[in-house]
Amino acid sequence: GAGVSQSPSNKVTEKGKDVELRCDPISGHTALYWYRQRLGQGLEFLIYFQGNSAPDKSGLPSDRFSAERTGESVSTLTIQRTQQEDSAVYLCASTQSEDGSYEQYFGPGTRLTVT
Amino acid sequence: GQNIDQPTEMTATEGAIVQINCTYQTSGFNGLFWYQQHAGEAPTFLSYNVLDGLEEKGRFSSFLSRSKGYSYLLLKELQMKDSASYLCAVKDSNYQLIWGAGTKLIIKP
Repeated sequence: GAGVSQSPSNKVTEKGKDVELRCDPISGHTALYWYRQRLGQGLEFLIYFQGNSAPDKSGLPSDRFSAERTGESVSTLTIQRTQQEDSAVYLCASTQSEDGSYEQYFGPGTRLTVT
Repeated sequence: GQNIDQPTEMTATEGAIVQINCTYQTSGFNGLFWYQQHAGEAPTFLSYNVLDGLEEKGRFSSFLSRSKGYSYLLLKELQMKDSASYLCAVKDSNYQLIWGAGTKLIIKP
């Protein structure tokens, strides 16, 4: 079946503009994660959705960042008033369940460049 | 706080064996994962350990000692395509994945 998809694959935006990134998880996966990865660095957790529970927003770096998810489907990550330090690859991952041995399946990422 | 430590970079020779270590300090433990990430690509799952001992999967093996907060990934018969970053991640008591910064493995002919 189809894997996790993300769009756009690349986004170049001017400082101060808003951007919206999209993630389509694997069908049936209840848990969805957003990560940020700066060049040469590890994964930085941003936000986590599990079914209809309230999302875990503990990783969002500022109030310029927000995310939504409709049920167990598409999620969008919005960054308002982008800054140059927001430049990174934004990765989305989904998994069958947050517990147990289920691994996360990653999308190809959106490379965001803020000029 | 929660912490995952891995070496930043390692170099090995094609055909050889390399061991990548990971130590962790987390609030609780619900399993340890290893992922492989090639440059410019998304991470892909390699292995999962929840009990002490060695899990073997082809050329790759992963070891866990919960009492020592320690794991390693062992790669045998190294191939050039194994050049990548290897990420260690631990699920804490809240089933949240805590990620290490990754180890960049360079394979030389």
